Amino acid sequence: NAGVTQTPKFRVLKTGQSMTLLCAQDMNHEYMYWYRQDPGMGLRLIHYSVGEGTTAKGEVPDGYNVSRLKKQNFLLGLESAAPSQTSVYFCASSYGRVVSYEQYFGPGTRLTVT
Amino acid sequence: GESVGLHLPTLSVQEGDNSIINCAYSNSASDYFIWYKQESGKGPQFIIDIRSNMDKRQGQRVTVLLNKTVKHLSLQIAATQPGDSAVYFCAENYGGATNKLIFGTGTLLAVQP
Repeated sequence: NAGVTQTPKFRVLKTGQSMTLLCAQDMNHEYMYWYRQDPGMGLRLIHYSVGEGTTAKGEVPDGYNVSRLKKQNFLLGLESAAPSQTSVYFCASSYGRVVSYEQYFGPGTRLTVT
Repeated sequence: GESVGLHLPTLSVQEGDNSIINCAYSNSASDYFIWYKQESGKGPQFIIDIRSNMDKRQGQRVTVLLNKTVKHLSLQIAATQPGDSAVYFCAENYGGATNKLIFGTGTLLAVQP
């Protein structure tokens, strides 16, 4: 089991460029999440999904879009990158609520927007 | 890798001592709490969890205490080791069908040899 994997690990973008971050999990989890982590601010939820084909906004969704076309994958898109989106991005997944609240995290993607 | 410990509260302990990391949570309706450990350059890793119908839970070298009266959570690490050096986050879930967790800002634990 690879658990939760994220692609790429590092990326540098210029302002206005677009990119997609890929998250994959092999644990058959129903729920998936995208977070950003900035120094001193903990983890903030961007978007999440409670099942294939569903997505919902989290705490800081502006400037991001997501898609969950397959149960095992959750994509995070930046259509027009801004320096304020420089951050470390983490994907997580979890079983449905009746099983456990524990979220399993990927290794992160470090994004710099210049 | 880039440190996530900048501007975080820091707890410095000697190797072999016990560590206590504290967390105040926000919502009295929260029914589940979890502690994560995050080493530099890595994703958060589960340590231990506790439900609101309990006030104490023990794992291997770790104990979580929950005081619902004052909305306080603590993580105790026995015989702290250099490998325990990391940022520790508490998180709470206050229901709903989404398993959403609300994370605290974290505490940096620095273990001195």
